[in-house]
Amino acid sequence: AQKITQTQPGMFVQEKEAVTLDCTYDTSDPSYGLFWYKQPSSGEMIFLIYQGSYDQQNATEGRYSLNFQKARKSANLVISASQLGDSAMYFCAMREGSGTASKLTFGTGTRLQVTL
Amino acid sequence: EPEVTQTPSHQVTQMGQEVILRCVPISNHLYFYWYRQILGQKVEFLVSFYNNEISEKSEIFDDQFSVERPDGSNFTLKIRSTKLEDSAMYFCASSELESPVTNEQFFGPGTRLTVL
Repeated sequence: AQKITQTQPGMFVQEKEAVTLDCTYDTSDPSYGLFWYKQPSSGEMIFLIYQGSYDQQNATEGRYSLNFQKARKSANLVISASQLGDSAMYFCAMREGSGTASKLTFGTGTRLQVTL
Repeated sequence: EPEVTQTPSHQVTQMGQEVILRCVPISNHLYFYWYRQILGQKVEFLVSFYNNEISEKSEIFDDQFSVERPDGSNFTLKIRSTKLEDSAMYFCASSELESPVTNEQFFGPGTRLTVL
């Protein structure tokens, strides 16, 4: 089974609108972290937002918020007031457990295109 | 703001040649990672490194790969005899805290390796 599933290969959104990028995860470890990264066409990986499995509230960072539904094992990224510069690939990732140097497992990504 | 740096940004090599990809992690970070991303695919974990030894490695990280921290600042990935399928973007990342479940990994800009 895939650890991270992103079912939307591509999404379109109009400028200034909000958009939700889906992410579901699979783990039996009670301690884990969920991350979203943005990858523009230039290729670098830009950290956006983090949600810990024990966090009581949904994470927010500026225009980014994470809709964390633990029972459903989903961690959707919400981008409000989309801008043209938001056009990029978006990856959901998970770190499991509390071991040292735990790896990130990534989903296949969603390509977001913001239109005028 | 401190950042992870990688050199070179693009490396072209012939099949069977050795390559060394270089990374300078953020100076007070303790954990180091290499990931790769084949064009159009998801980011995959290769190896993590802590306290001068490998913490974890994936099945991709076979005997052709090695990592080293030759001095106090550099972290290198060596591929002994490159294959066509090694062509990918290679990302170095580093993280700081003792509690890696909650900690962000900072990614470098990547090295695009092209094997001809």
